[in-house]
Amino acid sequence: QVQLVQSGGEVKKPGSSVKVSCKASGGTFSSSAIGWVRQAPGHGLEWMGGIIPVFGPANYAQKFQGRLTITVDKSTSTAYMELTSLTSDDTAVYYCARILRAFDIWGQGTMVTVSS
Amino acid sequence: EIVLTQSPGTLSLSPGERATLSCRASQSVSSTYLAWYQQKPGQAPRLLIYGASRRATGIPDRFSGSESGTDFTLTISRLEPEDFAVYYCQQYGASPATFGQGTKVEIK
Repeated sequence: QVQLVQSGGEVKKPGSSVKVSCKASGGTFSSSAIGWVRQAPGHGLEWMGGIIPVFGPANYAQKFQGRLTITVDKSTSTAYMELTSLTSDDTAVYYCARILRAFDIWGQGTMVTVSS
Repeated sequence: EIVLTQSPGTLSLSPGERATLSCRASQSVSSTYLAWYQQKPGQAPRLLIYGASRRATGIPDRFSGSESGTDFTLTISRLEPEDFAVYYCQQYGASPATFGQGTKVEIK
């Protein structure tokens, strides 16, 4: 059974960048898509973007165009989400999820706090 | 962007009761790409229903999904104590994927 294990929480300064990893254990990403979703404290779920490794380029929500990069290292079955030009509005829990039958497997979440 | 509007915002029910959650789409959504998730505090979302009406692996049969045009419904036939949580609908057939704002099912 595939599990997704994300990197640990981060505290960042406004204007900086964060890179969160998501490693598949017990399987690979080779034939499924990976998406990233975030959740600000006390708020709902927000789609950020996703990638189907076999096809290459990622698809991003308009809101994050220009400051979000999603990549996959197929050799290590690890996906990455990098968000630049952070502001306090980016304080949230960031989740990766496998997209097969909907978003069927989720990582445990990574808390990113943006604070001066 | 397809907007999903969930109602009610909060549902106060007792264990054993039936819960009916609604999700209305602002435009046509392929049922193939409509899903429901459950989220408990401090946890990642959990897939319940995909394809509008197909239960995900390991999901009890008290959870069911249905559709009528642009209206989608999640029904929990008899609430168990572990079902009190927040529920989100999602469409992922059109970019960007979007979520409803959530319905909280709380103990009355």
